[in-house]
Amino acid sequence: KNQVEQSPQSLIILEGKNCTLQCNYTVSPFSNLRWYKQDTGRGPVSLTIMTFSENTKSNGRYTATLDADTKQSSLHITASQLSDSASYICVVSAGQFYFGTGTSLTVIP
Amino acid sequence: EADIYQTPRYLVIGTGKKITLECSQTMGHDKMYWYQQDPGMELHLIHYSYGVNSTEKGDLSSESTVSRIRTEHFPLTLESARPSHTSQYLCASSEWDGSYEQYFGPGTRLTVT
Repeated sequence: KNQVEQSPQSLIILEGKNCTLQCNYTVSPFSNLRWYKQDTGRGPVSLTIMTFSENTKSNGRYTATLDADTKQSSLHITASQLSDSASYICVVSAGQFYFGTGTSLTVIP
Repeated sequence: EADIYQTPRYLVIGTGKKITLECSQTMGHDKMYWYQQDPGMELHLIHYSYGVNSTEKGDLSSESTVSRIRTEHFPLTLESARPSHTSQYLCASSEWDGSYEQYFGPGTRLTVT
C-alpha cells in the first residue's frame, strides 16, 4: 500500500534553534518528493522538490535530504524564526500525489 | 507566487443551500484538483480533472460535483450543504506530467450552520 508517514506529528522549538522533520514513504514507483509549508488557513507552498537521483537540496534555511534506498526524507530548518510556525507536508509523486499527514511546527520566542 | 485563485475565501451558509466554490488558474495547466482538509488533518483528494470535459472522483467520497468547461476554471458545487461539509477546500493545478509541481490556491473555509 502506498503510504507517506511523517514524524513527529507536532513539534515546539525555541526561536533560533534548528529542527529536523522526517518523512518515510512506501510509494512505488517513485517519481519525486516535495516538501510543502502550509500556514494556518492557507494553501500549501512548495519548499523543495527532489528526484530519485538527488540527495540534498536547499532553499534558504530549509535543507531537504532524500535516501531513495531506505525511502526516507528529512527537512532540516536552520536558525528557526517565528514565521516558520506552520504545517510541513511531505508529498510523494508516483503518477498521482500521496500526501503525508504533516508535522505541525510551532516556534516560540 | 502561484497564479491560482479561489473565491470566496470564507463562506458561512445555512443547511440546504446550494453553493459553488470557484477556482481559476492562469498557468494553462491541464490537471486540476480539489482537496478537502479538516483542521490539523491531511489533504484528501475529492475531485480531479485531466483537462476540458474531464472530471474524476478522488479517493474521498464527496457529495460535491465539479465541471471543467474551460482549462482555467474548475468550480466545485454542493447542491445541498450540510454541517458535515464544514471544512477547508483547496484547489490545485499542475502540468500534465505528474512529476511536475502542484500549485495550490489559498483555500476556501466553508462553515455550514
